[in-house]
Amino acid sequence: LAKTTQPISMDSYEGQEVNITCSHNNIATNDYITWYQQFPSQGPRFIIQGYKTKVTNEVASLFIPADRKSSTLSLPRVSLSDTAVYYCLVVSSNTGKLIFGQGTTLQVKP
Amino acid sequence: NAGVTQTPKFRILKIGQSMTLQCTQDMNHNYMYWYRQDPGMGLKLIYYSVGAGITDKGEVPNGYNVSRSTTEDFPLRLELAAPSQTSVYFCASRGDRGTISNQPQHFGDGTRLSIL
Repeated sequence: LAKTTQPISMDSYEGQEVNITCSHNNIATNDYITWYQQFPSQGPRFIIQGYKTKVTNEVASLFIPADRKSSTLSLPRVSLSDTAVYYCLVVSSNTGKLIFGQGTTLQVKP
Repeated sequence: NAGVTQTPKFRILKIGQSMTLQCTQDMNHNYMYWYRQDPGMGLKLIYYSVGAGITDKGEVPNGYNVSRSTTEDFPLRLELAAPSQTSVYFCASRGDRGTISNQPQHFGDGTRLSIL
């Protein structure tokens, strides 16, 4: 399973766009890249998933270059409620298993 | 639609006691997972199941057992509780439409377990 590397923490201010980059050098051909958000005392919540190029939903965008060795989660116009831990994961194409790293703790300030 | 439900939410055990953490899902998902999360860390996979009657070990299975007799339920058993098992335990499930990779996991809210 491909390991991921992402920054331990990031700070931002309300209304700014936040980009969190993740590297996954050993991603396999059929693996997907997925991002989860976790608030204190809650289970992780799925944000977005992609295979290549760009994916956008109502809460975020995911940019994946052609070599797929990295990805960037983009959160537009963050608010205080976006303060959370964000996990970048590569999903095994064989079992669907997730390997969690430490994630990125995003602190949004007023 | 309740999703993934875990019980109990909190529990304190004495060393050497046993208990079962319950997990049930109402989404008819074949895949189910158990994770533990230590403070400040990411989740670690304990066991997983790809369907009723089929289970397999994850990264940290020692000290735990699982069973999967129905699609809905995936209980996690601690036989001899140890202080190192103090953690938050999360159960998750995922559907199996399309490719295996592209179905997100749905998590419960966790069971906070302290062993003293």
